[in-house]
Amino acid sequence: DTGVSQNPRHKITKRGQNVTFRCDPISEHNRLYWYRQTLGQGPEFLTYFQNEAQLEKSRLLSDRFSAERPKGSFSTLEIQRTEQGDSAMYLCASSPEGSSGNTIYFGEGSWLTVV
Amino acid sequence: RKEVEQDPGPFNVPEGATVAFNCTYSNSASQSFFWYRQDCRKEPKLLMSVYSSGNEDGRFTAQLNRASQYISLLIRDSKLSDSATYLCVVNAYSGYALNFGKGTSLLVTP
Repeated sequence: DTGVSQNPRHKITKRGQNVTFRCDPISEHNRLYWYRQTLGQGPEFLTYFQNEAQLEKSRLLSDRFSAERPKGSFSTLEIQRTEQGDSAMYLCASSPEGSSGNTIYFGEGSWLTVV
Repeated sequence: RKEVEQDPGPFNVPEGATVAFNCTYSNSASQSFFWYRQDCRKEPKLLMSVYSSGNEDGRFTAQLNRASQYISLLIRDSKLSDSATYLCVVNAYSGYALNFGKGTSLLVTP
């Protein structure tokens, strides 16, 4: 399967713990995005990478959130000191250079439950 | 005000019915417009792009009215498999992020 891969698919954690999600984009896609989706809402943009450079961050991305893409390939999204409000599906997507929304591919998402 | 507004529904329609969804967006500088489909607990997937001239893909027709900042999706001859959430999506001003509406839930019944 050469689609966008996300791990872990499900994570249950206690409030206050740190969690990290990994995203492996489609190979040769230099653009990578993170979105968050809570129940009853559409996905909300969190951050965007072009290669290893983080070019845009939403104000939704508080100081407890950090994302990296160290070698321009896979990316990690870390949430520190998790809160119950962080419970959501975290979606990673990738697209090739010069794309618009019709060539963005989403992974299956990582579900986070904070108890 | 959210950048993309949709009626969340749910829309319950019988098989074979025609159903229309509407969406408005607030940023007049938006450049690209899409409808995505999302099945329960799955990732969103592109259904179709939306062009000013209107475009059709089988039973699905999308329209864009830039003057009114309004996007629509028409589904003809609904199938049970059309049951899903339909997300109206607008390319953000920055050009990188997609702005999603909350989605409109459709249930097609036998």
